Amino acid sequence: AQSVTQLDSHVSVSEGTPVLLRCNYSSSYSPSLFWYVQHPNKGLQLLLKYTSAATLVKGINGFEAEFKKSETSFHLTKPSAHMSDAAEYFCVVSDPPGGSQGNLIFGKGTKLSVKP
Amino acid sequence: SQTIHQWPATLVQPVGSPLSLECTVEGTSNPNLYWYRQAAGRGLQLLFYSVGIGQISSEVPQNLSASRPQDRQFILSSKKLLLSDSGFYLCAWSLGQGPYEQYFGPGTRLTVT
Repeated sequence: AQSVTQLDSHVSVSEGTPVLLRCNYSSSYSPSLFWYVQHPNKGLQLLLKYTSAATLVKGINGFEAEFKKSETSFHLTKPSAHMSDAAEYFCVVSDPPGGSQGNLIFGKGTKLSVKP
Repeated sequence: SQTIHQWPATLVQPVGSPLSLECTVEGTSNPNLYWYRQAAGRGLQLLFYSVGIGQISSEVPQNLSASRPQDRQFILSSKKLLLSDSGFYLCAWSLGQGPYEQYFGPGTRLTVT
């Protein structure tokens, strides 16, 4: 069965410093992986997706993630944090592609704080 | 482009009262539709999904129900709310083929008092 583990429930960085949000997945096939961001009392916004093309995926707002099959990881990074990046981030894996409903499996989320 | 709407944005209801939350999608046809609940400290829980009109699958048994009367309309209902129904309700849509990324609405904050 597919699963996702976000290794940190809370990450705190200073503005202008790099961001690293860690995610490990478990899947018996080649998965589709996503990162979503949620600001307080807002819906989830898709940051980026991996779909077995390039292993380094660039997303919106300067974020990127690298798919490493050998490490079963899909960590999210950004070179320089902005105050507006403070939010909760979810790592997500999709159900097997043979299914028609396309259910997603969500990690428990990592709350990112950015200090001035 | 596609957009997804949810209403109301916030709702305060007494225990035992009925509930109706509405979600509509514009700019796409025959989407998969989803209802999620996000309760404090409990992550995202899939409640229902639908692959077509009148086709509803329930992921969690509870006092909630869902209906899809039109292709791009998804409704979440309850006949009698419980305190435990409080939370942030999110509707999402996806296309019917991979990689299945979902696009979320702005959410409804429900407080049951």
